[in-house]
Amino acid sequence: AQRVTQPEKLLSVFKGAPVELKCNYSYSGSPELFWYVQYSRQRLQLLLRHISRESIKGFTADLNKGETSFHLKKPFAQEEDSAMYYCALGNAGGTSYGKLTFGQGTILTVHP
Amino acid sequence: DSGVTQTPKHLITATGQRVTLRCSPRSGDLSVYWYQQSLDQGLQFLIQYYNGEERAKGNILERFSAQQFPDLHSELNLSSLELGDSALYFCASSVGLRGAGANVLTFGAGSRLTVL
Repeated sequence: AQRVTQPEKLLSVFKGAPVELKCNYSYSGSPELFWYVQYSRQRLQLLLRHISRESIKGFTADLNKGETSFHLKKPFAQEEDSAMYYCALGNAGGTSYGKLTFGQGTILTVHP
Repeated sequence: DSGVTQTPKHLITATGQRVTLRCSPRSGDLSVYWYQQSLDQGLQFLIQYYNGEERAKGNILERFSAQQFPDLHSELNLSSLELGDSALYFCASSVGLRGAGANVLTFGAGSRLTVL
């Protein structure tokens, strides 16, 4: 069974501080990992996916298959980063495309 | 707007009633997904359609049903509503069944259902 765990429901940091949102997954197949973000009063949107290996808005995430983790990191948090962040797990093969399993989400608050 | 469109934005109804939520996928996307977001359960996958056919089912109650029409819009029907059905219902779409973009979902703004 697929499972995604985001251990922190709430995370508060000060502007300029590093931030790390944790995500661990459980999956026996070939995983594809994503981070989705939901800013206040906006729709859920894709932030980044592991196969892209890119940095979006200063955020990066590395897939660690040994530790089954996909933590989201940013070296210097900004107030506009305050949002709900969801880690999501999909199937990179087979026929279950799009059936993403989401974690419970982490609300990040960046204080001035 | 070529993104995912959901109607209505808000819906308040009573227990025992039936409602229909509507979703138009992003232009060019053939797959439509329905998710339920509640405070205690987080984002839960309900059901997926591809080009009019049901492809995958998640934790969808028997009181709920969905369909995708020839023009690719989808409707989620919720019947015999209970208080616990109050939630935000998201529709999402993706380009297809497999390939590089298949797992990349574009979400709608959601329909907030309140059952009193």
